Amino acid sequence: DSGVTQTPKHLITATGQRVTLRCSPRSGDLSVYWYQQSLDQGLQFLIQYYNGEERAKGNILERFSAQQFPDLHSELNLSSLELGDSALYFCASSVASVGQSRLNTEAFFGQGTRLTVV
Amino acid sequence: GIQVEQSPPDLILQEGANSTLRCNFSDSVNNLQWFHQNPWGQLINLFYIPSGTKQNGRLSATTVATERYSLLYISSSQTTDSGVYFCAVRTGGSNYKLTFGKGTLLTVNP
Repeated sequence: DSGVTQTPKHLITATGQRVTLRCSPRSGDLSVYWYQQSLDQGLQFLIQYYNGEERAKGNILERFSAQQFPDLHSELNLSSLELGDSALYFCASSVASVGQSRLNTEAFFGQGTRLTVV
Repeated sequence: GIQVEQSPPDLILQEGANSTLRCNFSDSVNNLQWFHQNPWGQLINLFYIPSGTKQNGRLSATTVATERYSLLYISSSQTTDSGVYFCAVRTGGSNYKLTFGKGTLLTVNP
């Protein structure tokens, strides 16, 4: 058990719908990362939050958004869903942001949310 | 951005065999991790190894940062070792993300 909790584990929804994926980081971790894993694109970085603030953006579509709350849990919102959004979505957490280079920045991943858009 | 190449892409072993997986990266890194993705999709941390050598049971890893590669050794493989092994790296500066290689799909047959 990595200590990172993601809910739900599975989600099936129709095209055009909106869903919210939830992530609770490991106790004490301030950074939360979201990744998408699809068959054709591999593991792609979407976005990072550190202590409530957005720190980095990757290949995240405009239809997707995320936030990190004061209790450090994070949500990834996916809207106007398309068939191609079907994927495994991972949340990861680490203690520090990259700027704190002396600290171990090992990232731990949740079990993922498997999203199927039909 | 940084490029991460893993080899071989696929590997089939008999139980008890040893193997070496390789990860090459195109720039200097301040974080390198090896993960095992099991058949249920879970990403399991194996090693955090930006440099040096570490061992954990039948698994060990070595990163030679100056030559930009890392090796994962699996000895006396078991069927439960099957899955995809990923190498992921983070560079310094303002780059916050882990960049993953495409992985090595390992199948261990009984």
